[in-house]
This record gives sequence, C-alpha cells and structure tokens, in this order.
Amino acid sequence: AQSVTQLGSHVSVSEGALVLLRCNYSSSVPPYLFWYVQYPNQGLQLLLKYTTGATLVKGINGFEAEFKKSETSFHLTKPSAHMSDAAEYFCAVSDRGTGGFKTIFGAGTRLFVKA
Amino acid sequence: EADIYQTPRYLVIGTGKKITLECSQTMGHDKMYWYQQDPGMELHLIHYSYGVNSTEKGDLSSESTVSRIRTEHFPLTLESARPSHTSQYLCASLRDGPYEQYFGPGTRLTVT
Repeated sequence: AQSVTQLGSHVSVSEGALVLLRCNYSSSVPPYLFWYVQYPNQGLQLLLKYTTGATLVKGINGFEAEFKKSETSFHLTKPSAHMSDAAEYFCAVSDRGTGGFKTIFGAGTRLFVKA
Repeated sequence: EADIYQTPRYLVIGTGKKITLECSQTMGHDKMYWYQQDPGMELHLIHYSYGVNSTEKGDLSSESTVSRIRTEHFPLTLESARPSHTSQYLCASLRDGPYEQYFGPGTRLTVT
C-alpha cells in the first residue's frame, strides 16, 4: 500500500530564507509524485510533479523538488521565500492501481513566512 | 487555469436535511473524485468515477452517494445531514497522461 509522510505540520521561515518542506513516501511500484499548494478557502493547485525522467523537477513560483529513490523522498525547496508563499502544501503519491488511478495525499505542511 | 466548479461554496444546514453538492468540469476528463478535508488533515477520498455510469466508494467510509450521468457532472448527495458531516468537500478531475488532478474551490459544509 502507498503512503505519504510529511515531516512537520508547520514550518516557519523568514522572507528571503530557504524553504524546505520534507516528504517521504512508500510505494511498491515506481511512483508518480506531486506537490500541491492550497491557499485559504481555495482548492489545491499543482506545483510540480515527477513521473519519469529527470529527478529534479521545477514547478511554478520558483519551487523545485528532487526525487531520491534510495531515500524514498521528494522534498520541496525554494531558494528564497516570499510572503505570498504562505499556504498549505501537500505531497502526494499515485500509481496505476487496478482499475484506475488514485492519489494518496500527505497530511499537509503549513508554511508561515515572516517579514 | 482549471475549469472545475463547485456550488455552493459555503452551506450551513440543519440536521436531517437532504443536500446535494454540485461539481462540474468543462475539460472532458473521464476520472473525477470527491475528497473530504478537515482542518490540518490530509485529504480523504470518499468517492470516485472513471466515466459515465461508473462510481466507486473511496478509502474513507462516507454516508454520501454520488452519480455520474454526464461526463462533466459529478454531484454528491447526503440524504440526511448530521453534524459529523461538517467538513470541506473538494471535487477534482484527472487529466490523463500528465496524471495531474484539477481541483474545484471546495464546498465548506456546516451541519447544525
């Protein structure tokens, strides 16, 4: 069975500082990995995804993540935090299970950005 | 920009009422999903559909039901609302190939 663990339900950084949100997954087959962002009172929006190929993937708003199979990790980073990055971030994993395609989400990490 | 819509955005209703949460998408996606999300918690899949006349229950037991008569429409119904149904409900559709889900803005339901 697949699962996702996000380390830290809350992360606080200063504006301009490095953002690092941690995600570890378990999957019996090669996974598809995603990061989604959720702003208050909105649905989730895809930040970036890994399906195949290059293990370092770049997404919107300057975020990137690296798939490390040996560590079963897919951590999200951004070199310099901006106030507008304050939101909830969800890591997710999915594969082509029997009969369809379902996604398992982590519990989320709320990012706070201090001025 | 995702073309997936949910109505109403907010709903406060009394116990025992029947409610239907609407979800529509204009992208022609076959796969659609309903998630339940409580504050600070992960999304829990409650229903999904792989196409017209196809519906399945998700990983989280739910007293709600869904239908899929048209590709673009995937409504969720609660026959008798209870306070335990208070939550946010998110609808999503899946774009095959890129495997990414597009989410609606959600319906925040409060049952008093």
